Amino acid sequence: DAKTTQPTSMDCAEGRAANLPCNHSTISGNEYVYWYRQIHSQGPQYIIHGLKNNETNEMASLIITEDRKSSTLILPHATLRDTAVYYCIVRLYSGGGADGLTFGKGTHLIIQP
Amino acid sequence: KAGVTQTPRYLIKTRGQQVTLSCSPISGHRSVSWYQQTPGQGLQFLFEYFSETQRNKGNFPGRFSGRQFSNSRSEMNVSTLELGDSALYLCASSLVPPSGGGNTIYFGEGSWLTVV
Repeated sequence: DAKTTQPTSMDCAEGRAANLPCNHSTISGNEYVYWYRQIHSQGPQYIIHGLKNNETNEMASLIITEDRKSSTLILPHATLRDTAVYYCIVRLYSGGGADGLTFGKGTHLIIQP
Repeated sequence: KAGVTQTPRYLIKTRGQQVTLSCSPISGHRSVSWYQQTPGQGLQFLFEYFSETQRNKGNFPGRFSGRQFSNSRSEMNVSTLELGDSALYLCASSLVPPSGGGNTIYFGEGSWLTVV
C-alpha cells in the first residue's frame, strides 16, 4: 500500500471549516483513500473514502486532486467534539493479500473554542 | 444496527498469565481483524480472519493467537503476558476481507489490557 504524509498537528477555530491535507504521491490507480479519526481512548471511527471523484457524506467531504497524489478532508463546521487524531490511509483494491490497514502517525486536529 | 462489540472493555492481568479477548462483528460482516495500539508503536495489525480462517498475520510473536467461529465472532489470546503487552486491543469488521476492495472497515471501542 502507498505511503501517506500528514502534518503532525493542526488548529482550527470552532465553527470554521477544518481542512486536513494528505500527500500520497505514490498512489496507484486502484488504491482508495480512506480517512479515519480516533478520539482519545476510543476505537478509530470511519469518516469517508474515495477513489477518484470527490465524495461527501454527513460527516465530511473528501477532495482528491486530479492526479490523485494528494487529498484534503474537509470538516465543514468544526466543533470541539471534532478534536481527534485523523488518519489518512491508502488501501489497495485487489483480491491479493494485505497486511491490514497501515496507520501512520496521523494529524492531531485541535478545535479551539 | 449494532456496531463492533468488544469484551471486556478493561482488564488487568499479571505478568505470565494469559488473556482472551472477544469480538462480535457487525451483523453480516464475515471478516474480523485485530490491532494493537500502544503509545510507542501506534496502531499495528495483528491478524485477520475470514470464514474461520486466518488470512493474514502481522509481525507479532506466537504468543498472540486468534480464532474465528462459524458465527463470525472472534477471539484473540495472548499467553505468557509481558509488561509490554499492555495496550488497547482493537477489533475491526468488514463485509469481506480488507484486501477484497473498497469496502469499509469498522472498529470497536477496544479492550484496554494492563499487565502488572
